[in-house]
Amino acid sequence: EADIYQTPRYLVIGTGKKITLECSQTMGHDKMYWYQQDPGMELHLIHYSYGVNSTEKGDLSSESTVSRIRTEHFPLTLESARPSHTSQYLCASSDRRGVNSPLHFGNGTRLTVT
Amino acid sequence: GENVEQHPSTLSVQEGDSAVIKCTYSDSASNYFPWYKQELGKGPQLIIDIRSNVGEKKDQRIAVTLNKTAKHFSLHITETQPEDSAVYFCAAILGGGADGLTFGKGTHLIIQP
Repeated sequence: EADIYQTPRYLVIGTGKKITLECSQTMGHDKMYWYQQDPGMELHLIHYSYGVNSTEKGDLSSESTVSRIRTEHFPLTLESARPSHTSQYLCASSDRRGVNSPLHFGNGTRLTVT
Repeated sequence: GENVEQHPSTLSVQEGDSAVIKCTYSDSASNYFPWYKQELGKGPQLIIDIRSNVGEKKDQRIAVTLNKTAKHFSLHITETQPEDSAVYFCAAILGGGADGLTFGKGTHLIIQP
């Protein structure tokens, strides 16, 4: 079982609110990722990080932002939530010492914006 | 652009039968192909992976085959059991791998009792 944790598991919030989804890993992994998973199951990369102070945008454009101040922590923030942000958000990490290192996923945060 | 195609989107098999899920990829430079299983309410978990220097890898009831020439790889599950019911994703590192794995769209595997 991978040691990567996401909180909260479920979040229902009103339009216009600012939210932060938390992701922490205890494996000392350098690389971390955020994926958005739509109801049709497909996974879309929205942000990733190579290490502390590194953040990059993924394939899918997202209004969210991320920060990486500590190796173990990679929070995702939405300044003003909208119904279109309703989705499942999955955090993952990998050890960058191997180019082909497997991803370890958290159990996700299911966000509903009303 | 670079992508990973996965088929079928839904697969229903009788318990005890075999299941096969297929993926194709576009980047001939790809050399790492993992498979993930996602159960309800959980994140995807790695179940098996294969690197381009081998054509097949087995782990108990699960096997993956790779055809680099044709740019496709497949997941084979034999003697399926109810706990195999889940969504399965194939993936590959495309375009140099700087931005992580690119996933297929997923296959919902249903094991009929």
